[in-house]
Amino acid sequence: GESVGLHLPTLSVQEGDNSIINCAYSNSASDYFIWYKQESGKGPQFIIDIRSNMDKRQGQRVTVLLNKTVKHLSLQIAATQPGDSAVYFCAERNFGSGNTGKLIFGQGTTLQVKP
Amino acid sequence: EAGVTQSPTHLIKTRGQQATLRCSPISGHTSVYWYQQALGLGLQFLLWYDEGEERNRGNFPPRFSGRQFPNYSSELNVNALELEDSALYLCASSLGSGHYNEQFFGPGTRLTVL
Repeated sequence: GESVGLHLPTLSVQEGDNSIINCAYSNSASDYFIWYKQESGKGPQFIIDIRSNMDKRQGQRVTVLLNKTVKHLSLQIAATQPGDSAVYFCAERNFGSGNTGKLIFGQGTTLQVKP
Repeated sequence: EAGVTQSPTHLIKTRGQQATLRCSPISGHTSVYWYQQALGLGLQFLLWYDEGEERNRGNFPPRFSGRQFPNYSSELNVNALELEDSALYLCASSLGSGHYNEQFFGPGTRLTVL
């Protein structure tokens, strides 16, 4: 079936440390992956994306790694700040049946940054 | 540039009633998506509208319906409300229907069914 799952529901890190949030996906045919950040009372906000023909993509303080062999996605946040505290979702899209517009989301990981 | 807006922010209804939720996409965006975010279930895809047409719907009963207006704003209607319909309903918009077009989310409407 369709599912994107996260290994850890809550991650607590010290301010200034690096954070790694993991995600497992079940559909090996998925073409596109996105990480979203959702702060309390707000909608999800795009962080970074990666296409299935890549294995790494870097943004500002964030890096996404894709391992298609084991169907694993990770989000690395460098020098974590209090403003990074939020729930992080991975999402996938599968274009095998055409463009369905549908994002399949994981359950989410809560990142807590300790000052 | 204004983001995606949704109204109302909160909505309280009783079982059996109907709820109408509204979404205004980012200016220039023609695609609108609806997602349900219920506690413990993550975000579930509900509907996708593009250029006024329904392009896809998720695994939800027919009492969940909607439409997209000529100005690309959208409405989600939920009939015969059930307790389990209580959730945050998120609307997103994108610039066209391309495969890699980013979906920008609004703040959501919190629907509570009593």
